[in-house]
Amino acid sequence: AQSVTQLGSHVSVSEGALVLLRCNYSSSVPPYLFWYVQYPNQGLQLLLKYTSAATLVKGINGFEAEFKKSETSFHLTKPSAHMSDAAEYFCAVSDPSGGGADGLTFGKGTHLIIQP
Amino acid sequence: ETGVTQSPTHLIKTRGQQVTLRCSSQSGHNTVSWYQQALGQGPQFIFQYYREEENGRGNFPPRFSGLQFPNYSSELNVNALELDDSALYLCASSLIGQSYGYTFGSGTRLTVV
Repeated sequence: AQSVTQLGSHVSVSEGALVLLRCNYSSSVPPYLFWYVQYPNQGLQLLLKYTSAATLVKGINGFEAEFKKSETSFHLTKPSAHMSDAAEYFCAVSDPSGGGADGLTFGKGTHLIIQP
Repeated sequence: ETGVTQSPTHLIKTRGQQVTLRCSSQSGHNTVSWYQQALGQGPQFIFQYYREEENGRGNFPPRFSGLQFPNYSSELNVNALELDDSALYLCASSLIGQSYGYTFGSGTRLTVV
């Protein structure tokens, strides 16, 4: 069984400040890891994914995440926050060996607030 | 390349009724999966369809059922609606074996009253 824990249901940062959203996972096999963003009343947009290649993954809109196996973490960062980054962010995990039959397991989400 | 489209965007149903939600896959994808996202929560996996058969299921009761058609589009059916079924229902498509390439639709907002 897999699980995802996102620390902090709400994170508030000032515009231009560092964004750090935390994600820890539990998986019995080497996982695939994802970060998605969701704007109000919209679906999920993929920011980035880790699929066992480079441990530092760069995504869209200046976001990146680092896979740390020893810490079972996959934290999302962005050096300088922009007002347009305000949204809900979800970390998710999947089992590569299942072919997708077990779907994605999501965390509960972190609401990112950007202060002007 | 077309993305994933879902219909309708919003729906209101009465407790006890049945509902059908629809999803068109992204061009080139052959699997469809459905997720339920309750307000303030992360999406939860309902099931996945491949070759018109369910090949994976989350912790949802049998009153949640689905279909996949030869053109890879899909339906989610929910019988005997309960108030707790009120949620955003998301459809995602991918290629079988590539559990890293999901494309999500914008969802259907279901309200049960």
